[in-house]
Amino acid sequence: AQSVTQLDSQVPVFEEAPVELRCNYSSSVSVYLFWYVQYPNQGLQLLLKYLSGSTLVKGINGFEAEFNKSQTSFHLRKPSVHISDTAEYFCAVSERRDDKIIFGKGTRLHILP
Amino acid sequence: DAGITQSPRHKVTETGTPVTLRCHQTENHRYMYWYRQDPGHGLRLIHYSYGVKDTDKGEVSDGYSVSRSKTEDFLLTLESATSSQTSVYFCATTQVSGNTEAFFGQGTRLTVV
Repeated sequence: AQSVTQLDSQVPVFEEAPVELRCNYSSSVSVYLFWYVQYPNQGLQLLLKYLSGSTLVKGINGFEAEFNKSQTSFHLRKPSVHISDTAEYFCAVSERRDDKIIFGKGTRLHILP
Repeated sequence: DAGITQSPRHKVTETGTPVTLRCHQTENHRYMYWYRQDPGHGLRLIHYSYGVKDTDKGEVSDGYSVSRSKTEDFLLTLESATSSQTSVYFCATTQVSGNTEAFFGQGTRLTVV
C-alpha cells in the first residue's frame, strides 16, 4: 500500500526567500503525485500534480515540484515566498489502478516578515 | 469551484449517540471520499466510493460506515460516537479515480462530548 512522508511539520521562512517542502512516498507500483494547499478554515485545493511525462511540474501561485523516481521524492519549491503563502501544504499519492488518495501529515509554512 | 456541500458544518454530540454527516455534490463525479483531519495526523482516509452502492474502507474505517444511494450524496455515519472521533471531517470528489484533481468540501467540525 502506498504511503506519504512529509519530513517537516513546520517550516519558517523569511518573506521573499526561497522555500522547499519535502515529500517522500512509498509504493511498489507507479504513482500519481499531488500537492494541495489548505488556507485557514478552508478545504484543500490543488497546487499541482504529476501524472506522467516531464518530471518538473509547475503549479499555481509560482510553485513547482520535481518528481524523482530513484529517490521516491516529490519536493515542492517556490523561489520567493509571500505572506499570502502562509498555509498548510499536503503531499498526496495515488497508485495507478487504485482509487485511494493518501495524504501526508502536512507541513505548515510560516512566513516571517 | 466544484459544487460540494457538507452538512452540518458544525455539530456537538454526546458520546454514544449516532451521527450522520452528509456530502452533496453537483458535479456528477464518480468517486467520493471521506477524510478526517487531526493535528499531527494530516488527512486520513475513512471510506471512499467508486460508484452508487460501491464503497470500500480506507485507513481508519473502524467505527464508521458509509452509504451512497445516489451519485450526488455520500453519507458518513458514526454508529456510536466516541470522543476519539472528535475531528474535522472533509468530503472530496474526483471525476475519474485517484489520478485526477480532488475537490474538497468546506469541512464539518464534529465535537463529541
